[in-house]
Amino acid sequence: DAKTTQPNSMESNEEEPVHLPCNHSTISGTDYIHWYRQLPSQGPEYVIHGLTSNVNNRMASLAIAEDRKSSTLILHRATLRDAAVYYCILRDGFAGTYKYIFGTGTRLKVLA
Amino acid sequence: GAGVSQSPSNKVTEKGKDVELRCDPISGHTALYWYRQRLGQGLEFLIYFQGNSAPDKSGLPSDRFSAERTGESVSTLTIQRTQQEDSAVYLCASSLALAGGKNNEQFFGPGTRLTVL
Repeated sequence: DAKTTQPNSMESNEEEPVHLPCNHSTISGTDYIHWYRQLPSQGPEYVIHGLTSNVNNRMASLAIAEDRKSSTLILHRATLRDAAVYYCILRDGFAGTYKYIFGTGTRLKVLA
Repeated sequence: GAGVSQSPSNKVTEKGKDVELRCDPISGHTALYWYRQRLGQGLEFLIYFQGNSAPDKSGLPSDRFSAERTGESVSTLTIQRTQQEDSAVYLCASSLALAGGKNNEQFFGPGTRLTVL
């Protein structure tokens, strides 16, 4: 079973911020939260990951709820190139098994 | 440096034939993953390797699927007696260490598009 829940799709206007939510109510204390995105006709690419504290990098910011049961990927200024499927994923399984359950993700549409 | 490469990029085969899909990970990456992505769907995890060992094969869809890795490098995903439902893009990824913590960013290859007629 998927460990994360995301909206199927979202829309944003170009140059505006985008907040992509993810629920992960069954997260364990040592699970990292990862975000990947998949541009059309390409393999997924890493965006950001975090454990407890909010994280920033050149691509995005990750805001993690205090109880860690949800997180939000923030694109500060959406561009047309950010149109992709965004996946929020956790490490799945017990120590010694490292499945990544990608789910269906959120398809982000950026309007010019 | 070189990224993850996969070959062939496209493979068309007839139902019942066997196929081998190859993945060359980034040099030095100890972890390697295989995923399947059917048209319009998300990624389906198949198997991962830590070194040359695959501790958990439960994600493989059936016993027609097998995978191996040698020299902590190249990996091959083999599908025997292919069926039409095997048609999908097969993606390989590698990471420095096993996913879940730090140094675990997965780098994906471009995938192999398999079409079973």
